[in-house]
Amino acid sequence: NAGVTQTPKFQVLKTGQSMTLQCAQDMNHEYMSWYRQDPGMGLRLIHYSVGAGITDQGEVPNGYNVSRSTTEDFPLRLLSAAPSQTSVYFCASSLLTGEKLFFGSGTQLSVL
Amino acid sequence: TQLLEQSPQFLSIQEGENLTVYCNSSSVFSSLQWYRQEPGEGPVLLVTVVTGGEVKKLKRLTFQFGDARKDSSLHITAAQTGDTGLYLCAGSRGGGADGLTFGKGTHLIIQP
Repeated sequence: NAGVTQTPKFQVLKTGQSMTLQCAQDMNHEYMSWYRQDPGMGLRLIHYSVGAGITDQGEVPNGYNVSRSTTEDFPLRLLSAAPSQTSVYFCASSLLTGEKLFFGSGTQLSVL
Repeated sequence: TQLLEQSPQFLSIQEGENLTVYCNSSSVFSSLQWYRQEPGEGPVLLVTVVTGGEVKKLKRLTFQFGDARKDSSLHITAAQTGDTGLYLCAGSRGGGADGLTFGKGTHLIIQP
């Protein structure tokens, strides 16, 4: 029972590089979301999706893009990495919006 | 604006002691969830409270939802070293597509 799978676990980028954080869930959840977690700031919502083909911005969307072509996958793209994007990123899903969230194990990203 | 304020931010106590952490807001929530996060992992749901005044118990952990559904508390009796972690509260305003709002968390350390 895989749940929410995030890859990679760790990543180091140089300023200006682009990359995609992968997220997949096998629970047939409609709602998926991306959070970043920074010391003293808690979990902040980046983007979310309430179903395939539907995405929307959260609290801190600038510098990130998402797509939801299937129910299972919800990748997060960093277009041009900046040091301010150094953080721990979590993907989470739930059956419906506002219900129990299942989190992945996180991606620790450093931008130099 | 931080919708959910958690206190204290940090708490370090001896094994066997009791403690209470708080989650307060000026907003009304349709439900409130408590998560526990261990280093290097994503948060894991402990409990969801839905009804104003509701009390739920999970072994030595007691969760209470305020009568007005604006605040919640988590009380741990006879804390154990295994209770160490980051405790997060998250509120749902119901019907909102943006899902849960998280507090910044309480870092709890139980010393042997």
